[in-house]
Amino acid sequence: GAGVSQSPSNKVTEKGKDVELRCDPISGHTALYWYRQSLGQGLEFLIYFQGNSAPDKSGLPSDRFSAERTGGSVSTLTIQRTQQEDSAVYLCASSLGGGIGYTFGSGTRLTVV
Amino acid sequence: AQTVTQSQPEMSVQEAETVTLSCTYDTSESDYYLFWYKQPPSRQMILVIRQEAYKQQNATENRFSVNFQKAAKSFSLKISDSQLGDAAMYFCAYRSASGATNKLIFGTGTLLAVQP
Repeated sequence: GAGVSQSPSNKVTEKGKDVELRCDPISGHTALYWYRQSLGQGLEFLIYFQGNSAPDKSGLPSDRFSAERTGGSVSTLTIQRTQQEDSAVYLCASSLGGGIGYTFGSGTRLTVV
Repeated sequence: AQTVTQSQPEMSVQEAETVTLSCTYDTSESDYYLFWYKQPPSRQMILVIRQEAYKQQNATENRFSVNFQKAAKSFSLKISDSQLGDAAMYFCAYRSASGATNKLIFGTGTLLAVQP
């Protein structure tokens, strides 16, 4: 696609439920990143995929968070047993290899009630 | 670990005036990249300008320029002739050039208001 697409745009879920957030990167971009933006905070790195290499999961805040990337393209971020502190905007970005030309999506605003 | 600090949570500027947003960072690396991103209400992060640390010349993109002071680890953004469309959240970001990790490290942002 022309840009990075994220869905849903907004998601409201009840505490304790699982949610899946989707990111469709720019075609041909081998690198994909997930960030979390909490109110009043900067962007917090969550996870990074690069081609067929093992992902860098060093930013995942707990074992309730996981992500996968199928076929080197679409990625899904899953949050299990959501908590109120998980409420944030989740942003996805992609880039060509290790390049510095990042393209961001418009994010998913997650609200846990 | 690298850190990025933006000490101005909010700034305001009159239309057509000039404003400078501050950013400092901490790193032990000598080669890296620095970025300024703009985030309007649409939430999409838009690249404003970037600087390679090995370049001494300050980057410029139209009305946007940076003052890169490597020794002081400072990377400020100057917006000249401010326009209403410049109102947004601005984030400073750092990325290592070593290739060990390609992730961006962000500051907490500065919310810029432009007064007509």
